[in-house]
Amino acid sequence: GESVGLHLPTLSVQEGDNSIINCAYSNSASDYFIWYKQESGKGPQFIIDIRSNMDKRQGQRVTVLLNKTVKHLSLQIAATQPGDSAVYFCAEFLSGGYNKLIFGAGTRLAVHP
Amino acid sequence: DAGVTQSPTHLIKTRGQQVTLRCSPKSGHDTVSWYQQALGQGPQFIFQYYEEEERQRGNFPDRFSGHQFPNYSSELNVNALLLGDSALYLCASSLAGEGGRYEQYFGPGTRLTVT
Repeated sequence: GESVGLHLPTLSVQEGDNSIINCAYSNSASDYFIWYKQESGKGPQFIIDIRSNMDKRQGQRVTVLLNKTVKHLSLQIAATQPGDSAVYFCAEFLSGGYNKLIFGAGTRLAVHP
Repeated sequence: DAGVTQSPTHLIKTRGQQVTLRCSPKSGHDTVSWYQQALGQGPQFIFQYYEEEERQRGNFPDRFSGHQFPNYSSELNVNALLLGDSALYLCASSLAGEGGRYEQYFGPGTRLTVT
């Protein structure tokens, strides 16, 4: 399959370690923030979302943290597995007539055995 | 891939030509958004269709147009192709309603190469 992110920043981790992927967003008025995973040759896959009035949300092996003061979003993946290797994008959603996702630049996660 | 299908998978066109890409949304979804993803970048919003009308548009020229059919499927048309139009074109479907539109499910994309 083709590579999605040839020139993206890369985070390399050992299998079993925890991963933290960071993202800065631009619009203070965004209502939702979403993390997507994109594997080579595939479209982005929804991982987890967080509403703007929250600062933390947990899913299965994943946690998203939102810091509105500095417009920062992070995705924590516990016990990273080889299947987690992909490009991760954060996206912000602005409703109220805009209804569009604005994606960040992306980070490649490489998990080594 | 969450039920969203796109065709064709790959396409090669020459500069100046026109292209049509197709998308069928996830069952039960009524809103279709199109994104362009250049290599090494995040998807960029092109436009969104709901109730057979273009509701929102990103910063793309009029060469990019679309259509939504009564069965909610959608087409993206690009006229007068430029080399810079080479990209992965993604379709995402969602359900209108409070909060619904942000839960967008993506198809696998169509890889367009303009030579």
